[in-house]
Amino acid sequence: KAGVTQTPRYLIKTRGQQVTLSCSPISGHRSVSWYQQTPGQGLQFLFEYFSETQRNKGNFPGRFSGRQFSNSRSEMNVSTLELGDSALYLCASSLRLAAQGRGYNEQFFGPGTRLTVL
Amino acid sequence: LAKTTQPISMDSYEGQEVNITCSHNNIATNDYITWYQQFPSQGPRFIIQGYKTKVTNEVASLFIPADRKSSTLSLPRVSLSDTAVYYCLVGSSSGTYKYIFGTGTRLKVLA
Repeated sequence: KAGVTQTPRYLIKTRGQQVTLSCSPISGHRSVSWYQQTPGQGLQFLFEYFSETQRNKGNFPGRFSGRQFSNSRSEMNVSTLELGDSALYLCASSLRLAAQGRGYNEQFFGPGTRLTVL
Repeated sequence: LAKTTQPISMDSYEGQEVNITCSHNNIATNDYITWYQQFPSQGPRFIIQGYKTKVTNEVASLFIPADRKSSTLSLPRVSLSDTAVYYCLVGSSSGTYKYIFGTGTRLKVLA
């Protein structure tokens, strides 16, 4: 079974631009979560989508948005890019909501998209 | 939300058992403890999850004392390929869901 795929793998943008990242979850997985990873802040949760609806959201400004399509594929958009948005953006998928049921459902992560903002 | 505290880094030699402890003093009744492993340039990978006492799988063991205020991830006979960052997460499906990874423990296995 193919793993989580993310495109593009690398991206260079300039301040003020916007960017769209794409994530294809493992077949059959309905939950897609997005994370930002930086050396200073570590791995931070952005949001989670399930059945095309945002179910959970982290503490990020409104410039960060996402959506999920009927085939569970997801996109993340960052508008008006800032230098501080340079990071590795990771997508993770799971069968159900990550926190549904008891404990956490295992999330499967993609390789990430490395975004550099100049 | 239960906050976790882990050592920033650890060194070990090949073949040794490595124990990484995570402190979570304000863990809630419904919270589970989950550990992930992350190699450079890769996304994290699930290792193990537990609620109390001991959980073991083919990769690691997780020890949780009765008060559940801490947990210990045990990696038996580590190899160079176990060099990675290990994250401890605490949470549950109740309340506001925030998948908080923290800064993790950077384990370096030496030959």
